[in-house]
Amino acid sequence: GAVVSQHPSRVICKSGTSVKIECRSLDFQATTMFWYRQFPKQSLMLMATSNEGSKATYEQGVEKDKFLINHASLTLSTLTVTSAHPEDSSFYICSARGLAGGHPYEQYFGPGTRLTVT
Amino acid sequence: AQTVTQSQPEMSVQEAETVTLSCTYDTSESDYYLFWYKQPPSRQMILVIRQEAYKQQNATENRFSVNFQKAAKSFSLKISDSQLGDAAMYFCAYRTDSTGNQFYFGTGTSLTVIP
Repeated sequence: GAVVSQHPSRVICKSGTSVKIECRSLDFQATTMFWYRQFPKQSLMLMATSNEGSKATYEQGVEKDKFLINHASLTLSTLTVTSAHPEDSSFYICSARGLAGGHPYEQYFGPGTRLTVT
Repeated sequence: AQTVTQSQPEMSVQEAETVTLSCTYDTSESDYYLFWYKQPPSRQMILVIRQEAYKQQNATENRFSVNFQKAAKSFSLKISDSQLGDAAMYFCAYRTDSTGNQFYFGTGTSLTVIP
């Protein structure tokens, strides 16, 4: 149980275009989802926290207009990178928290999405 | 502010031997959770072990155990009988004990297992 999927697993897009990444909780309802960014050989940096049905809370330094987050249902959150640039190339990971049983407030990580902007 | 520090960017261990990965953290809270996550080349984050701060007993999961020193704010991971599949990036993480919680990750330790 408590599986989180991400789609696509990797994507290549041209500079200036937008790309959407989906994060789904497959067998539980995710009241909160988190989006992280990870550069090569570095740690995970939290970008934003989204609660179902409300606006996402962005971490300091993260551009809201560039990284659009939508958490429209209890099983789906999307991250849209708008007007992508090569510096947006990175590994994006989502995690989901919900009442999946077991430990309260436990978070489950998706497998990540590798974005390459050319 | 919460910070998590892993002072060992890289570690290596002989297969079947024991290795300890270090982690320290800084917080003013009394209730929180600590974690060790493993990130293999697939990049999927895998929970290795969890420790609740209010528990004095060190957590263990098969070959993995922690040495939790709350006063010293230290949380090290011991891997016994190391296996080739243990090779990965290991992240120490802190999480508050609240509903709106988030993880704070250390910078990671890359573990190599030598056959």
